[in-house]
Amino acid sequence: DTGVSQDPRHKITKRGQNVTFRCDPISEHNRLYWYRQTLGQGPEFLTYFQNEAQLEKSRLLSDRFSAERPKGSFSTLEIQRTEQGDSAMYLCASSLFVGTGELFFGEGSRLTVL
Amino acid sequence: QQQVKQSPQSLIVQKGGISIINCAYENTAFDYFPWYQQFPGKGPALLIAIRPDVSEKKEGRFTISFNKSAKQFSLHIMDSQPGDSATYFCAVETSGSRLTFGEGTQLTVNP
Repeated sequence: DTGVSQDPRHKITKRGQNVTFRCDPISEHNRLYWYRQTLGQGPEFLTYFQNEAQLEKSRLLSDRFSAERPKGSFSTLEIQRTEQGDSAMYLCASSLFVGTGELFFGEGSRLTVL
Repeated sequence: QQQVKQSPQSLIVQKGGISIINCAYENTAFDYFPWYQQFPGKGPALLIAIRPDVSEKKEGRFTISFNKSAKQFSLHIMDSQPGDSATYFCAVETSGSRLTFGEGTQLTVNP
């Protein structure tokens, strides 16, 4: 399968714990995006990378959130000191071309903070 | 913050009918206007997209109509099928392929 893969698919954690999600984009795609989606809402942009450079971060991305993309391949999204409001689906997407409206999304990592 | 307003929130149509979902955007020039389809437990997937210099684009049973002056675009699904039951999101693309999504429309097509 050459699609975008995310791990883990589901994560249940207690408030205050740290969690990390991993995304493996489509191999030739140089752009990688993180979005957050809550129930009944559209995905909200968090951040994106072009190769290893993080080019934009949303105001939604508080100091507790950090994303990396070492060597321009896979990416990780870490949430420190999780809060119940962090419960959501975290979606990763990748793309090769700009100006086409097309992102390839993974199936997401669902986070539940108890 | 750019805003994209989508309506209706939910839509029920009979098999063979036409499903119409509308989207309105504000302000800034955008590069592309895509529609995404999402099934439960899956990530969104691009359905069809249109450039701002085109008024209509058709792919199979799916058509986007774009009205630049009104800052509106819509998705028409002809001959709707139960397999089309999903959540549909309009989006606008800004520089860097950053997408801003609408809130979604849950479409149910009854057999």
